[in-house]
Amino acid sequence: DAKTTQPPSMDCAEGRAANLPCNHSTISGNEYVYWYRQIHSQGPQYIIHGLKNNETNEMASLIITEDRKSSTLILPHATLRDTAVYYCIVRVVDTDKLIFGTGTRLQVFP
Amino acid sequence: GAVVSQHPSWVICKSGTSVKIECRSLDFQATTMFWYRQFPKKSLMLMATSNEGSKATYEQGVEKDKFLINHASLTLSTLTVTSAHPEDSSFYICSASIRRPMNTEAFFGQGTRLTVV
Repeated sequence: DAKTTQPPSMDCAEGRAANLPCNHSTISGNEYVYWYRQIHSQGPQYIIHGLKNNETNEMASLIITEDRKSSTLILPHATLRDTAVYYCIVRVVDTDKLIFGTGTRLQVFP
Repeated sequence: GAVVSQHPSWVICKSGTSVKIECRSLDFQATTMFWYRQFPKKSLMLMATSNEGSKATYEQGVEKDKFLINHASLTLSTLTVTSAHPEDSSFYICSASIRRPMNTEAFFGQGTRLTVV
């Protein structure tokens, strides 16, 4: 079973920041948090991952709470092409498995 | 990032026939490959873990005789849907992992849409 919970859907205005929350209250100390997104009828695309420190790359920022029980993915300036389903995933310890939850369907509107 | 290629992108087959889907890591050798299926408007469901040179490990509820997985090399895994039926129609996605000292990166193929008629 997935170890994360996410809101089923969110809206965001184009150009504004999109903040996508994720709860992973049962995460273990050595488990990473990964974020992927899936645009309709395509394979998931890697966005970012982190362990306990905040991370930033060219696509997004990942903010992980100090207790690591939740995290937020931030798309700083959402565009229409960011409309997708966003998955927050905790990788299973000692395996390479990624178990997908239900994700958040982000709709960016003009 | 690394590239994972699936072939074919879509396929239509007759009920009772078998269909093979290929998953290749184009510019890296994958430690492990995974196969997922996805129904419309649903999340990805992990079917099996594929390791080069050994038998695949199937998730609970997935029929291993129905979904044959062969992992002949570090860059190629195949999924064969045997005796396909309309209920096997789905979007099949593979991923390939690179295990690094501190974490693992997974890269996904573009998916294969199977329609059984």
